[in-house]
Amino acid sequence: GAVVSQHPSRVICKSGTSVKIECRSLDFQATTMFWYRQFPKQSLMLMATSNEGSKATYEQGVEKDKFLINHASLTLSTLTVTSAHPEDSSFYICSAETGKATEAFFGQGTRLTVV
Amino acid sequence: GESVGLHLPTLSVQEGDNSIINCAYSNSASDYFIWYKQESGKGPQFIIDIRSNMDKRQGQRVTVLLNKTVKHLSLQIAATQPGDSAVYFCAESRGANSKLTFGKGITLSVRP
Repeated sequence: GAVVSQHPSRVICKSGTSVKIECRSLDFQATTMFWYRQFPKQSLMLMATSNEGSKATYEQGVEKDKFLINHASLTLSTLTVTSAHPEDSSFYICSAETGKATEAFFGQGTRLTVV
Repeated sequence: GESVGLHLPTLSVQEGDNSIINCAYSNSASDYFIWYKQESGKGPQFIIDIRSNMDKRQGQRVTVLLNKTVKHLSLQIAATQPGDSAVYFCAESRGANSKLTFGKGITLSVRP
C-alpha cells in the first residue's frame, strides 16, 4: 500500500511555543489529507480536512487559528499547533487519500507533550 | 446524532481461537466501511473494507460481515495470534473521498 510519513514521531515543547507536524505522502500524490487527534484509550477525532491549494475545512469545535494547516503541495501537509498548552498534549495522526480510491493511508502519528 | 459505535470495550481470546469484533453504525447512508488495527503508539493500519453492496468480504485470516438491515458490522479473525493484540476500530464514510467517522475502538487481548 501507499506510504504516509509523519514527522516528528514524538515532540516535547514548552507551554506557549508552537509545534509543526509534517505529513508526507511518499509514493503518491494526495489530493486530500486529514488530521486527527486521539486522546489515550479513545478513538480518532477528525480535526480538519486539507485539500491542496485551498483552505482547510475544520470540524466543529476545532480552532482554526490554533491549529494551522497548510497543504502546499500534493505530497505535503503541515499542522502547526500554535501557543501550545498542556491540554493540547495528544496523539496527532494524519491520513492521505489518492483520490482514486476511498481507502485512506495513515501516518504513524505524532505524540505531542506540552510541559 | 449519527455515530459509529462498538458494543464491547475489551475482548480477551485464547491464542488459536477465532475472534469476533462487532460494530454498530447509525447512518443508513453510509456506503463504505473499514476495519483498522492500531498498535500502541502507532497510526491505524488498514485491515479490510467492504462496500454497502456487499454483505461479506474475506481477506487473509479476516472476514468482514455487513448487515445493513440492522446496521451492524463485524470483523472475524481466524486462529487469533499474539500479534493480533491491538485496538480495533471500525470506520464508515459516505461516498468516495469523504471523511471517515471512527467507532470507539475495542482492545483485543490474546492469551498465550
